[in-house]
Amino acid sequence: AAGVIQSPRHLIKEKRETATLKCYPIPRHDTVYWYQQGPGQDPQFLISFYEKMQSDKGSIPDRFSAQQFSDYHSELNMSSLELGDSALYFCASSFKGGLARNEQFFGPGTRLTVL
Amino acid sequence: GENVEQHPSTLSVQEGDSAVIKCTYSDSASNYFPWYKQELGKRPQLIIDIRSNVGEKKDQRIAVTLNKTAKHFSLHITETQPEDSAVYFCAAIGTDSWGKLQFGAGTQVVVTP
Repeated sequence: AAGVIQSPRHLIKEKRETATLKCYPIPRHDTVYWYQQGPGQDPQFLISFYEKMQSDKGSIPDRFSAQQFSDYHSELNMSSLELGDSALYFCASSFKGGLARNEQFFGPGTRLTVL
Repeated sequence: GENVEQHPSTLSVQEGDSAVIKCTYSDSASNYFPWYKQELGKRPQLIIDIRSNVGEKKDQRIAVTLNKTAKHFSLHITETQPEDSAVYFCAAIGTDSWGKLQFGAGTQVVVTP
């Protein structure tokens, strides 16, 4: 079965640079979530989109922005990168319209390292 | 918003024994409680979930119980195997959210042969 796809899998950036992370949800899934996971921590919710509209917002810095496109893929844009942004970034997707509407499936993640 | 607490933070068990992880949540109206297994550097993997209209759910060696009155839910793994070693996260979805997961802090489970 198709799973959530994320690219790139690894990314190394310098401080103050920008980064763009991409997420392709499971086909027919209409909701995308972004999570940030630091070493030894639980995933922290950043932002979500339902049917291409922002649906919820968590602890996402103002330096970050995201959107969902007409083909349902999503991009997380990160500017003025700081050392503390180094983390695993996961995208998850779900389908709101079905009986299993809460089930979220995670992508493999993007490991961002800021030097 | 929803707040989830998870205990213990680490759990060492002998192969073949059972493991139990407990979580409590704060939003009494929360209605969905998944459990994720995460191996080092890999994605969280949904292993079982339970909804608020069910008290218990079982899938082979894994079971989850929910006590809505006490606002806690537990993961039970029986006949543990070395491949069960991982970090396990409980989570809940609060009613003030559009499905975002509020995770517990995680439990590092180590199964020794």
